[in-house]
Amino acid sequence: DTEVTQTPKHLVMGMTNKKSLKCEQHMGHRAMYWYKQKAKKPPELMFVYSYEKLSINESVPSRFSPECPNSSLLNLHLHALQPEDSALYLCASSHSPHRGNEQFFGPGTRLTVL
Amino acid sequence: SQQGEEDPQALSIQEGENATMNCSYKTSINNLQWYRQNSGRGLVHLILIRSNEREKHSGRLRVTLDTSKKSSSLLITASRAADTASYFCATDGGTNAGKSTFGDGTTLTVKP
Repeated sequence: DTEVTQTPKHLVMGMTNKKSLKCEQHMGHRAMYWYKQKAKKPPELMFVYSYEKLSINESVPSRFSPECPNSSLLNLHLHALQPEDSALYLCASSHSPHRGNEQFFGPGTRLTVL
Repeated sequence: SQQGEEDPQALSIQEGENATMNCSYKTSINNLQWYRQNSGRGLVHLILIRSNEREKHSGRLRVTLDTSKKSSSLLITASRAADTASYFCATDGGTNAGKSTFGDGTTLTVKP
């Protein structure tokens, strides 16, 4: 299985809602990533988990809360988001967090904040 | 600011022609990777070139790296309509282990 899956594919939420994005991989990868991508822009790194521990937080607002329950799962909990947070959220994984590792991306969750 | 800048921003060619995209970066790197993204989808890894390599091939793809100029190019030969996508370079170097920084991307349109 060489696939990274993400659910849901689309999400519409109000600014007072709480929702979660889910990501799963069964490739035995020990690094997992969350990216945010706005239209016609490159992906921007948000978080990196290395061996199930948060290793990089790119100064992301606290309304985004990542969680790595086990080595196969990665969640992104959303609370009190703003309309400008609307974007494609991409999850990725790699064999290890070290340099030079190919990242495998999921199809993304298209988030709209009303 | 982004580590990588790509040019052109957009490229439109006929099927069968070759497409060349360039990526420039600012700081030293350990490796550089190229990814493809179809509209609104996840990214697909194409090729990785290490800082001690100058050229790499994979099928119809040819990547070059010039560390003295801090630049890389991606050549797609004999393009097909299915190659229509955005192409991003990503650098991973310095002390930022595990952190890939993506360039702005080139949008390629291949007309049948």
